[in-house]
Amino acid sequence: GQNIDQPTEMTATEGAIVQINCTYQTSGFNGLFWYQQHAGEAPTFLSYNVLDGLEEKGRFSSFLSRSKGYSYLLLKELQMKDSASYLCAVSDSNYQLIWGAGTKLIIKP
Amino acid sequence: IAGITQAPTSQILAAGRRMTLRCTQDMRHNAMYWYRQDLGLGLRLIHYSNTAGTTGKGEVPDGYSVSRANTDDFPLTLASAVPSQTSVYFCASSDSTTPGNEQFFGPGTRLTVL
Repeated sequence: GQNIDQPTEMTATEGAIVQINCTYQTSGFNGLFWYQQHAGEAPTFLSYNVLDGLEEKGRFSSFLSRSKGYSYLLLKELQMKDSASYLCAVSDSNYQLIWGAGTKLIIKP
Repeated sequence: IAGITQAPTSQILAAGRRMTLRCTQDMRHNAMYWYRQDLGLGLRLIHYSNTAGTTGKGEVPDGYSVSRANTDDFPLTLASAVPSQTSVYFCASSDSTTPGNEQFFGPGTRLTVL
């Protein structure tokens, strides 16, 4: 079966760094996406990785290891507005997205 | 219109009633999707359309139908609603289904079936 695992909830302090992990087992792999979703709102795109390594985009970075079926999203210099759920999704052999349940990130002052 | 719009924003529906959720995009995207999002579960694909005139079944299609008469519109119909269809429904679109094409989401419809 297809499976995406993420921690349910994480807590971090404003100004700190947090790493959100995602492991996956899917039928085929055509890339991994990270989305941000604030409570009551729609998901919005953060990053896409298809090759191994780190992709940096401002305060956010995303890492992929295809051999380990593993990715992480790294958020630096945390701000209160980063409080949200972070969704990991894998594009499978049919180019459909398989979604994790999301990680709720709570930022404390 | 900018992006994707969905209607209604929320709805309370009696079990057994028929309901159509509307979705319109103005980005001229080829592919469109319907997801449901339930607490503790990831987004689950209900139906998709890779291009106007074609549709396909996703992970949880039972009880739902879609049509794609043109590029912009992708309505989702519940023929006879049941309480297990209580959920938040998101419509999304992407330029194509090739790798790396991000999906853009509408604001969602919160549906309660009693």
